[in-house]
Amino acid sequence: DAGITQSPRYKITETGRQVTLMCHQTWSHSYMFWYRQDLGHGLRLIYYSAAADITDKGEVPDGYVVSRSKTENFPLTLESATRSQTSVYFCASLGGGPTGELFFGEGSRLTVL
Amino acid sequence: GQNIDQPTEMTATEGAIVQINCTYQTSGFNGLFWYQQHAGEAPTFLSYNVLDGLEEKGRFSSFLSRSKGYSYLLLKELQMKDSASYLCAVGNYGGATNKLIFGTGTLLAVQP
Repeated sequence: DAGITQSPRYKITETGRQVTLMCHQTWSHSYMFWYRQDLGHGLRLIYYSAAADITDKGEVPDGYVVSRSKTENFPLTLESATRSQTSVYFCASLGGGPTGELFFGEGSRLTVL
Repeated sequence: GQNIDQPTEMTATEGAIVQINCTYQTSGFNGLFWYQQHAGEAPTFLSYNVLDGLEEKGRFSSFLSRSKGYSYLLLKELQMKDSASYLCAVGNYGGATNKLIFGTGTLLAVQP
């Protein structure tokens, strides 16, 4: 099915463990984004990517790593998870229409114990 | 710097009209977006303003004043299903930078 999908949808891990959140889109959109959403902070941009092999930091990149070897995939890795990284993570891609709207995945809820 | 402000919570009555305000101060501007987010779900696109004025789309309208750094989302004939968070966002598109910066969102509760 066309769209943008994230996996896993729910994840519980422990402090210090590595976690990778996957994001896959079928539209061949060039730009992709990772946001985290926390109560009182709204959506904050972690990293974004303009195309394969081109990535850049957003507002809150510390503790996260991204890669973009293929246009359709944009995984987000927490190399050593901390409790402060407990959050809901949204992946999004930028549509090519005149409005420049973002299309979001369903979200990945991560709990770090 | 980037600063986008909107009220944290609002309450309105079914059938009424509600206006959600958003003010912004950002280093770049290529459009003002409104998204709707129901609890436990992903945000979905509602509206986009790049020029000053009012954009109407059914029961929802969005207004922009670039000189004042101000926008509002107007919801008419409120329905219970309109209970959600409404996110104001500023587009910063240009050169190597294409990103959307969000405010903290306004949680709207529609009461019978």
